[in-house]
Amino acid sequence: QVQLQESGPGLVKPSETLSLSCTVSGDSITSNFWSWVRQPPGKGLEWIGYIYYSGNTNYSPSLYGRVTISEDTSKNQFSLKLRSVTAADTAIYYCARTLKGGSTSSTYYYYMDVWGRGTTVTVSS
Amino acid sequence: SYELTQPPSVSVSPGQTASITCSGDNLGDKFVCWYQQRPGQSPVLVIYQDRKRPSGIPERFSGSNSGNTATLTISGTQAMDEAAYYCQAWDSNIVLFGGGTKLTVL
Repeated sequence: QVQLQESGPGLVKPSETLSLSCTVSGDSITSNFWSWVRQPPGKGLEWIGYIYYSGNTNYSPSLYGRVTISEDTSKNQFSLKLRSVTAADTAIYYCARTLKGGSTSSTYYYYMDVWGRGTTVTVSS
Repeated sequence: SYELTQPPSVSVSPGQTASITCSGDNLGDKFVCWYQQRPGQSPVLVIYQDRKRPSGIPERFSGSNSGNTATLTISGTQAMDEAAYYCQAWDSNIVLFGGGTKLTVL
């Protein structure tokens, strides 16, 4: 059974860096894709980015330049860093296993089949 | 940029059929999946690749996708199905979510 668990500080000061980790059990992070998704209070889901195949990454254009996703294969973890945070970055942050299907770039599809419980991060001084 | 549009809310009576739509330009050319999110819980995948159900998802959940609209259908809706539902697709190397639909079972 695959399980994911987010961890990290629940409070971050404005202009600082938000850092979270996701520990995976039941699967290897060197397989599949691994995503971060966030949800501001009372709002919908927002994809942040994913890491795959030993360190390759893809990020949301809206966060590009502030976000880095990395991995630690020795711990079977992947991590999120979001720089220069503001109150707008206050959200529940989820990590999720992401599966890819399709055989060509015109038929690719991605879906998140296992999610962590989420961790709430508040940006405030 | 590509967008997925969902109605903010849908209401249904217990035992009836609920339909939740997700619209986007030529969405039928892409594969869509759907997530259910009950209050205070993480999202759960209920449909992927337009119409496939993951193991453990009841048969009353079904999906379709054609033209500009994907539809999540819940047959014989139960009180436990009251939740927010999000569609998701992939376009130009980006994972996209719809804004979500709150399903109320009256």
